[in-house]
Amino acid sequence: NAGVMQNPRHLVRRRGQEARLRCSPMKGHSHVYWYRQLPEEGLKFMVYLQKENIIDESGMPKERFSAEFPKEGPSILRIQQVVRGDSAAYFCASFPDGAYEQYFGPGTRLTVT
Amino acid sequence: AQSVTQLDSQVPVFEEAPVELRCNYSSSVSVYLFWYVQYPNQGLQLLLKYLSGSTLVKGINGFEAEFNKSQTSFHLRKPSVHISDTAEYFCAALMNTGFQKLVFGTGTRLLVSP
Repeated sequence: NAGVMQNPRHLVRRRGQEARLRCSPMKGHSHVYWYRQLPEEGLKFMVYLQKENIIDESGMPKERFSAEFPKEGPSILRIQQVVRGDSAAYFCASFPDGAYEQYFGPGTRLTVT
Repeated sequence: AQSVTQLDSQVPVFEEAPVELRCNYSSSVSVYLFWYVQYPNQGLQLLLKYLSGSTLVKGINGFEAEFNKSQTSFHLRKPSVHISDTAEYFCAALMNTGFQKLVFGTGTRLLVSP
C-alpha cells in the first residue's frame, strides 16, 4: 500500500502566479487534511476534506486559497495570486473511517520569488 | 481551547546519552496524544500514540512516552540516542469535537553529536 503522495515536491512561483498542490491519500482513506508549516514553526491546520465535501476550512485564509477533494482524483490545494508570505511547506495527511492516526505525505515546498 | 506546548526549541545531546523531550497540553476534553518525527525535507512519521490504557507508550526506534493526566504532560524519552535520531520532533494532540483536528506544538530540534 503506497503512502500518501504529494506532488510536486518543490514548486517555485513568481508573485501573482497560481500554485496547485496535489495530494493522493492512501488507498481506502476518505479523509484528507492540509497543513502549512512556516519556517521554524509547527504545522498549522488549514482544511479538512472528505470526498466531495469540505468539512472544516477554518484554518484557510479567506482569500486566494481553496481546496477540493473530488470523487475521482487527488485532493487539490490551490493558491491564487501567490505572495512571498505563502512560501512554506504544505503537507497533507489522510486517514480511514474510524481511525485516529493521520498519515502524512512528504510535503510540497512552495517558494514564491 | 486546546494547545500544545513544547518548551524546548532545541535539545543538544551526546550520542548514547539519554534524552527527554517535553510536551504539555491544555484541554478541557479528553485528548489523544501523538509524537511525530520529521527528518530534513521529509514529511512527518508517527513515533507513538496514546489513545487509552497504559500510560507508558512504546514506539518505534526505541522511543517511549508517558501520559501524565495530572500534569497534562506527554514527555518523550529515549535511554540512549544515536546520531541518526537528529531530527525535529513534534508533539500533537487530537481534539475530537465532532471531527478530528490535530493541534501541533512548535517542535523540538534534537541535535545528537558524537
